Amino acid sequence: AQKVTQAQTEISVVEKEDVTLDCVYETRDTTYYLFWYKQPPSGELVFLIRRNSFDEQNEISGRYSWNFQKSTSSFNFTITASQVVDSAVYFCALSEAQLGDYKLSFGAGTTVTVRA
Amino acid sequence: DVKVTQSSRYLVKRTGEKVFLECVQDMDHENMFWYRQDPGLGLRLIYFSYDVKMKEKGDIPEGYSVSREKKERFSLILESASTNQTSMYLCASSHRAGAEETQYFGPGTRLLVL
Repeated sequence: AQKVTQAQTEISVVEKEDVTLDCVYETRDTTYYLFWYKQPPSGELVFLIRRNSFDEQNEISGRYSWNFQKSTSSFNFTITASQVVDSAVYFCALSEAQLGDYKLSFGAGTTVTVRA
Repeated sequence: DVKVTQSSRYLVKRTGEKVFLECVQDMDHENMFWYRQDPGLGLRLIYFSYDVKMKEKGDIPEGYSVSREKKERFSLILESASTNQTSMYLCASSHRAGAEETQYFGPGTRLLVL
């Protein structure tokens, strides 16, 4: 079963629009970690954020913000006032402590295209 | 900054060839990982290693092997390349064992098997 679901395959927006990427996860573990990565056209995955299961505070970093809700098993990511440089594939990932194998389970990714 | 490098950005091989993909990290990380990335499937773990000469199978190890003779280097080997191994291969490393550890990725190798 898919542990991380990113239902949006592609999102296209015009520059300066806000865009929200959905991430829904599934785990029975009480201790787990959620990650977001950005993959620009160059190919390298760039780490954006890590959140543990005990910290439900939303986080803002510049134009990026993250909304973690355990009640709905979601960890959504919003880009405010999008720019062309935000065009990339974005991945949500889950790491479960009890598994003990340090694996990251990735979603299928959401391709964001920001048009000028 | 963490630096993970991969030996090739693009590679073209023929069916049946033995293929080596090399990954080097410069941050003295204990853990190293090999993933393949395919459209619509995200990243899937092939193998990982938490120490020199140690290896563990990931979700899709069939058709692959790995080697870790030195801490900084982790090699992925396709014993006999097949067309269904055409993919993007990504190497990653993390500081030590633990679910909280962030993995840092290399630029990827796009492999085409003809």
